[in-house]
Amino acid sequence: EPEVTQTPSHQVTQMGQEVILRCVPISNHLYFYWYRQILGQKVEFLVSFYNNEISEKSEIFDDQFSVERPDGSNFTLKIRSTKLEDSAMYFCASSLGRLNTEAFFGQGTRLTVV
Amino acid sequence: AQKVTQAQTEISVVEKEDVTLDCVYETRDTTYYLFWYKQPPSGELVFLIRRNSFDEQNEISGRYSWNFQKSTSSFNFTITASQVVDSAVYFCALSEAGGGSNYKLTFGKGTLLTVNP
Repeated sequence: EPEVTQTPSHQVTQMGQEVILRCVPISNHLYFYWYRQILGQKVEFLVSFYNNEISEKSEIFDDQFSVERPDGSNFTLKIRSTKLEDSAMYFCASSLGRLNTEAFFGQGTRLTVV
Repeated sequence: AQKVTQAQTEISVVEKEDVTLDCVYETRDTTYYLFWYKQPPSGELVFLIRRNSFDEQNEISGRYSWNFQKSTSSFNFTITASQVVDSAVYFCALSEAGGGSNYKLTFGKGTLLTVNP
């Protein structure tokens, strides 16, 4: 069964460092998303991406964040200068169409900023 | 603005009991989609069900059933004869179709279900 794959599963970084979280969405999906979940809290939308551009972003997704689809298979989230409060589980998701179809989530990358 | 409320923070039951997880939503759109996701202790988010706002039929899938009532803006989830493997955090989520905002899911805070043997 096709699945969304995220790497790494856990990343520890020092405050101020840049991190890139990687995702391989399901191959025929067209819409890609990043969400985050601070420990013990709800899952929050960060950004959606379609046709090589951002479709929508939340207020969390400030200038420190960027997304890219560098090739036909990967979808990345970059955080330019990490802060302690960026520590969270980051989920990538993809869907075939808009969210009248289900979004399938990856297993998440746990980012710890120290 | 869209909002999802899961008033039950934690529920604890004994195996084989039935349990209902509540979800109340707010939206101004007439077309929207409701979802349930399961997050087991391993952390991934597992899709369970999607309903659109035009389809109020209840759905049953094995031990799982969903009761969608537009009149009360609720989309409740019942597990019949619960099992230990059902222990997880369950999230209800909403996506609006209007205004271009059908790209994102708004999640509730989740309900931690613990099923004890």
